[in-house]
Amino acid sequence: DTGVSQDPRHKITKRGQNVTFRCDPISEHNRLYWYRQTLGQGPEFLTYFQNEAQLEKSRLLSDRFSAERPKGSFSTLEIQRTEQGDSAMYLCASSVTGQNTEAFFGQGTRLTVV
Amino acid sequence: AQSVTQLGSHVSVSEGALVLLRCNYSSSVPPYLFWYVQYPNQGLQLLLKYTTGATLVKGINGFEAEFKKSETSFHLTKPSAHMSDAAEYFCAVSPRGNQGGKLIFGQGTELSVKP
Repeated sequence: DTGVSQDPRHKITKRGQNVTFRCDPISEHNRLYWYRQTLGQGPEFLTYFQNEAQLEKSRLLSDRFSAERPKGSFSTLEIQRTEQGDSAMYLCASSVTGQNTEAFFGQGTRLTVV
Repeated sequence: AQSVTQLGSHVSVSEGALVLLRCNYSSSVPPYLFWYVQYPNQGLQLLLKYTTGATLVKGINGFEAEFKKSETSFHLTKPSAHMSDAAEYFCAVSPRGNQGGKLIFGQGTELSVKP
């Protein structure tokens, strides 16, 4: 297993454009999490899935943000009408329910909105 | 609501010196506690965690942390710093019963190691 994989690693987009990020969790991990990390800050929870069900969304997740995990495997995070304030590192993590309470993180997607 | 406070956004030590990174949490019920390390432009790697049992937890790379309920603290230590320890360190909590994943992070402490 190669761990949690995120694609792309870097994305530069113009303000107002839509962007989509992908996360492939560790195989058989039923939980998948999205976090956002801005410069000099700790990661902030955005949302999480258990299998294909989105169980919790943070208030940080405005209506321009949408996340999916259609088959309970990979997940996508889409940001519509990007704003400069969306510039951040978007981190994905996965874990297994009921086992060791450890989340494994991907390397993240760094978004720059110009 | 749970929160995490890391005292000191930047800590600098000499190689071979003791490393002490401070973390305090706020929670009505002691949560699960974690320390993660992040190297530049990388994701987070788990150093150690406390869920239950022995309050002194040993992790990777020679790090350890002690859960002190009375002080609501989970400070990270390493007896002798190495140059490769230079990184950003994050303390995090997870509500009990959540069984992993959803984490609330502190703002991080950047560790510098001088030769």
